[in-house]
Amino acid sequence: NAGVTQTPKFRVLKTGQSMTLLCAQDMNHEYMYWYRQDPGMGLRLIHYSVGEGTTAKGEVPDGYNVSRLKKQNFLLGLESAAPSQTSVYFCASSQVAGELFFGEGSRLTVL
Amino acid sequence: GENVEQHPSTLSVQEGDSAVIKCTYSDSASNYFPWYKQELGKGPQLIIDIRSNVGEKKDQRIAVTLNKTAKHFSLHITETQPEDSAVYFCAASSLSGSARQLTFGSGTQLTVLP
Repeated sequence: NAGVTQTPKFRVLKTGQSMTLLCAQDMNHEYMYWYRQDPGMGLRLIHYSVGEGTTAKGEVPDGYNVSRLKKQNFLLGLESAAPSQTSVYFCASSQVAGELFFGEGSRLTVL
Repeated sequence: GENVEQHPSTLSVQEGDSAVIKCTYSDSASNYFPWYKQELGKGPQLIIDIRSNVGEKKDQRIAVTLNKTAKHFSLHITETQPEDSAVYFCAASSLSGSARQLTFGSGTQLTVLP
């Protein structure tokens, strides 16, 4: 029972490069979320989705784009990476108003 | 928007002692308060939550208390064990709207000394 799976787990980028983080969940959850975690700042919501084909902005959406083409997948894209986007990224999913289940994180370093 | 402050940022206790972590929130509309435990290299995992119509909730060695008037809530861990060592996050959100947008505290690194 995989739960929430994130790929890749580690990535190093140069400033200006682009990349996509993939989140997949096998719990048939409606809601999916992308958070970033920085030292001393807890987790901050980047974007979220309340269902296939829908996305919405969270607290810190600038510099990121997302897509939810399939219910089980939620993609986070960086079009032009900046050093300020060095962080650990967590995907989560939930039923409506239910507990959030998190993946194990993707550590991104932008040089 | 909501602002959640969490104290202390680090906490060391002897095995068997109790640990208390405190959080305050700013938005009086918040009505759901979960606590997450994050072990090294893992994602956060829900350990207990409380809704605003309840003042206290217990689950074995873990309890959470909520004071809506003062806008603060606390996590209490009794009889601490080495496996309780982790980072703990509080969070707050309103259940209204189309998704649960949690606002997290900055985390507490708990170390249980054997």
